[in-house]
Amino acid sequence: NAGVTQTPKFQVLKTGQSMTLQCAQDMNHNSMYWYRQDPGMGLRLIYYSASEGTTDKGEVPNGYNVSRLNKREFSLRLESAAPSQTSVYFCASSEANANTGELFFGEGSRLTVL
Amino acid sequence: GENVEQHPSTLSVQEGDSAVIKCTYSDSASNYFPWYKQELGKRPQLIIDIRSNVGEKKDQRIAVTLNKTAKHFSLHITETQPEDSAVYFCAASKTNTDKLIFGTGTRLQVFP
Repeated sequence: NAGVTQTPKFQVLKTGQSMTLQCAQDMNHNSMYWYRQDPGMGLRLIYYSASEGTTDKGEVPNGYNVSRLNKREFSLRLESAAPSQTSVYFCASSEANANTGELFFGEGSRLTVL
Repeated sequence: GENVEQHPSTLSVQEGDSAVIKCTYSDSASNYFPWYKQELGKRPQLIIDIRSNVGEKKDQRIAVTLNKTAKHFSLHITETQPEDSAVYFCAASKTNTDKLIFGTGTRLQVFP
């Protein structure tokens, strides 16, 4: 049981390049999320998916796109990377039922845009 | 949308002392308030949560209090230990199945 797995763990891009962060969970969770973490700014929600087939914008969606490929996988795409997107990205999943709202996070992906 | 403010941004205490972190939220419809701990280089992990029908919840050395009228909630850590050193995040959402909005974090340092 690996929990939430993110790839890659580290990536360096040049301005204008594109890339996709992959996330997969093996806990059969309905909801999945992408957050970015920057010093002094906490965890900011980029996009989330409440269930397979649905996606919604979070606090900071500009410059990103997402795909909920199936119940297990939720990818984040940067079409044209900018230095302002240098950050640590966390994927998370949640059972999201009446008993618990706990988010289970992946290990994070550190992205640097030059 | 929801906005969560967290204070202080850094907190240093002596081992054995208590630590208190405070958060305020803007959306009166919020009803679920978890706290996450993130150790250096690690992922955030849930340590305790509280729902709006409860004013206080305890789990060993940690406790959370909620004041819905004032729209603020707090994390209390008693008898702090060096392993409590970490960044703590508060968060809020309308339900525990809704999107979670985080505060900016508090870096707690516990000195031996």
